Amino acid sequence: SSDLTQPPSVSVSPGQTASITCSGDRLGDKYACWYQQKPGQSPILVIYQDTKRPSGIPERFSGSNSGNTATLTISGTQAMDEADYYCQAWDTFTPVVFGGGTKLTVL
Amino acid sequence: QVQLQESGPGLVKPSQTLSLTCTVSGDSINNANHYWSWIRQPAGKGLEWIGRVYISGNTNYNPSLRSRVTISVDTSKNQFSLKLSSVTAADTAVYYCARYYYDSDGIYYFDFWGQGTLVTVSS
Repeated sequence: SSDLTQPPSVSVSPGQTASITCSGDRLGDKYACWYQQKPGQSPILVIYQDTKRPSGIPERFSGSNSGNTATLTISGTQAMDEADYYCQAWDTFTPVVFGGGTKLTVL
Repeated sequence: QVQLQESGPGLVKPSQTLSLTCTVSGDSINNANHYWSWIRQPAGKGLEWIGRVYISGNTNYNPSLRSRVTISVDTSKNQFSLKLSSVTAADTAVYYCARYYYDSDGIYYFDFWGQGTLVTVSS
């Protein structure tokens, strides 16, 4: 089981804003990363250090992290954003921990 | 461009040892800011971190797998390897190798991943 908790699924209409949360004990004291994984593909990094976007990631992807919750926000969601999203941080005993993943559906 | 490629048997018998190798190109495995990791994903399930190795040979493992896992690095071949012993059907998964960036400011992320290789545990 993961010590980072994500909702199993989130649905959003095209053009609307999607928010995916990741909860963990004092997560705001650590950096959170987010990965996007489409079916049959390897994950790709979309957010690191809570808020930073790697080169090539669209501006509609943003992140925040405070308290016990990190949030990935996708503004103006497009059909191509439909994917599984995973948060990642660490805990006391494990240097790498992934959230359980959230399936984003663009209806 | 950095590329990682997993290789190894796609079928392993129960109780035997799963062995995979990741070949890195486009980057030296000796880079001080990088750990080299293995991650797996059972069909339809989430990502599970297995462990990582540093150029010094130092390793960290997922506590749930620690007793069965060995990760090593071969800097002369720019490769790192995974061995998972006493496998069962529960170890059937896509196995990814990945580069993990980590710096002195505590910034970290997986920036490059292999394509993944399916390993099935079955007799």
